[in-house]
Amino acid sequence: AQTVTQSQPEMSVQEAETVTLSCTYDTSESDYYLFWYKQPPSRQMILVIRQEAYKQQNATENRFSVNFQKAAKSFSLKISDSQLGDAAMYFCAYRRPAGGTSYGKLTFGQGTILTVHP
Amino acid sequence: EAGVTQFPSHSVIEKGQTVTLRCDPISGHDNLYWYRRVMGKEIKFLLHFVKESKQDESGMPNNRFLAERTGGTYSTLKVQPAELEDSGVYFCASSPRQIAEAFFGQGTRLTVV
Repeated sequence: AQTVTQSQPEMSVQEAETVTLSCTYDTSESDYYLFWYKQPPSRQMILVIRQEAYKQQNATENRFSVNFQKAAKSFSLKISDSQLGDAAMYFCAYRRPAGGTSYGKLTFGQGTILTVHP
Repeated sequence: EAGVTQFPSHSVIEKGQTVTLRCDPISGHDNLYWYRRVMGKEIKFLLHFVKESKQDESGMPNNRFLAERTGGTYSTLKVQPAELEDSGVYFCASSPRQIAEAFFGQGTRLTVV
């Protein structure tokens, strides 16, 4: 079974600085998808960034980028120029490759609470 | 376009009572997922509907939990009778296809006392 581990329960960063959230996972699959989701307090969880395992290039979405190390099974999220609105719970998630039953379900890590200080 | 909506946002019930959570997915999304996060732990998959059919219910903890999606639109998750360990946040998500991005609701925080 796949597992996802976020070893940092809490992180903090100063506004305008950079922070990296860690995520490791375990799988026997060679092709899969990885995601970072953000959940602001009392609000819906939204997708921040996704990475397809067969793509060597790290995904980037504006100030958010990932460092995908497939051999090490590591998938960290870097937030550059942090803003107050980035404060949220961040979840790393894994989805297995397409095919078979219910491949759309996600396996999540424990979450990391990010605090942004002005 | 309305997003995924969950009702209620909070529920506090006594042990032994029944609670029904509701999820309204995005219109046209055939796939509907239920997840649960127990305090401090990871979000865990409960079950997956494709239209009105249960595709995968491997994550349902026990037979006190009953999920339905009559007509393939909204879904309900009933817990009967509720136990203390059922406390947590219940999330619903929907997607048009399994390969597509899943959109989440804001969650229902259930507290069993």
